[in-house]
Parts: sequence; structure tokens; C-alpha cells
Amino acid sequence: GENVEQHPSTLSVQEGDSAVIKCTYSDSASNYFPWYKQELGKRPQLIIDIRSNVGEKKDQRIAVTLNKTAKHFSLHITETQPEDSAVYFCAAGGSNYKLTFGKGTLLTVNP
Amino acid sequence: GAVVSQHPSRVICKSGTSVKIECRSLDFQATTMFWYRQFPKQSLMLMATSNEGSKATYEQGVEKDKFLINHASLTLSTLTVTSAHPEDSSFYICSAYKVTEPQETQYFGPGTRLLVL
Repeated sequence: GENVEQHPSTLSVQEGDSAVIKCTYSDSASNYFPWYKQELGKRPQLIIDIRSNVGEKKDQRIAVTLNKTAKHFSLHITETQPEDSAVYFCAAGGSNYKLTFGKGTLLTVNP
Repeated sequence: GAVVSQHPSRVICKSGTSVKIECRSLDFQATTMFWYRQFPKQSLMLMATSNEGSKATYEQGVEKDKFLINHASLTLSTLTVTSAHPEDSSFYICSAYKVTEPQETQYFGPGTRLLVL
């Protein structure tokens, strides 16, 4: 089955700096890569996703890049704000709609 | 939008009792729903895939007789934790897969926090 590795497990940045979270996946058949933000005790919220026919996608301060050959994808957050503090999960999915999640990254943005 | 609700949000029960959790897609139909379990400070672990009108598909290591799943309609899936024990205490989250535009993806419910005493 699919295996998703996510790094780092914790990330602390100063407000205004950029944050980068990286994930690798094992199954070359995976073709969908969403990123979720989860605040404590709440549901995961989709923040951005990318499909395997695209190499990069951007939405305001958030961008995701995908390297299919290397089987890795990354989340980039620019101009971080304290409200960006949360746990971020990457995931990989295929044609059966199932998602395999990474272990998560606790992002702390210090004011 | 795509809204998924879950009920109850919190439940406390005695060891040995059964607990039913409902997951509803409120503004779209979902032939496929998923049930996850999340322990504190850990990731989401997929328990099973719920398919409308057919049997659920369970992940390896998940007991199908303990975690009963029923997907009776295109908007409702239920998870019943039978004979619950303290080790079943966790945060259970469902998701519903929306296949129509503009955003085809999984949408998560708010979760149910189960505490078994």
C-alpha cells in the first residue's frame, strides 16, 4: 500500500518568514495530493491540492509543488501569520478516492 | 459548498456498551465515505471505506465485527463501536467524497470525541 513520509514533524518560524513542509510517497499510481490544516480539536480543512498532471499550484500565500519522478511534494507558505499556526497534513490518493496521510507537521508562527 | 456533519460531537459511555456515530453529507450526495480514527498528537488513520449500498471495506487490523459500518443512503453513513473499551477512546472523523465540480475531494466532518470509562 501507499506510504507517506512527512518532514519536519515540528516547525517554528517568525511571523513574516516562509515555511516549507515536505512529503514523499511510495506508490507511483497516486495521482492526487491534498494538504490539510487542522487546528486543535477541529476537523482537517483542505487548504490546497494538486493533481499529478500539474507541477505547481498557487493560492495567495500558499503553494504546492509536485515532482512525480522523485515522488515528492511540498507545501510552501509565505509571509506567515500567527493564525497559520496549526498541524498540517499531507496526503496521497489514487483512483479509489482513498487518502494516506503523513504524520503531520506542527507549525508555530511566533509573533 | 460541501458540508459534512457528524453526531454526536462528544460521547462518554461505560465499558461494554455500544456507541453509534452518524456522518451526513448535507449538500451533496456521497457514494463513498471514509471513517478515520485519530489519537492525540497523531495522524488520521483510515479505518474503513463506506460504500453506499454495499459492504464496507476495512483496513488491515481493523475489526469489522467491532466497528460496524452502515451506508444506507447517499447522504448518511453510521459507525457503531460495539462493546466499547477504554482503548477505543479516540477522536473519530468521517469524510465524504464529493465527485462533482468545482472541488472534487474529501470533505471532513467535525469529528466525534469518544471517551469510554
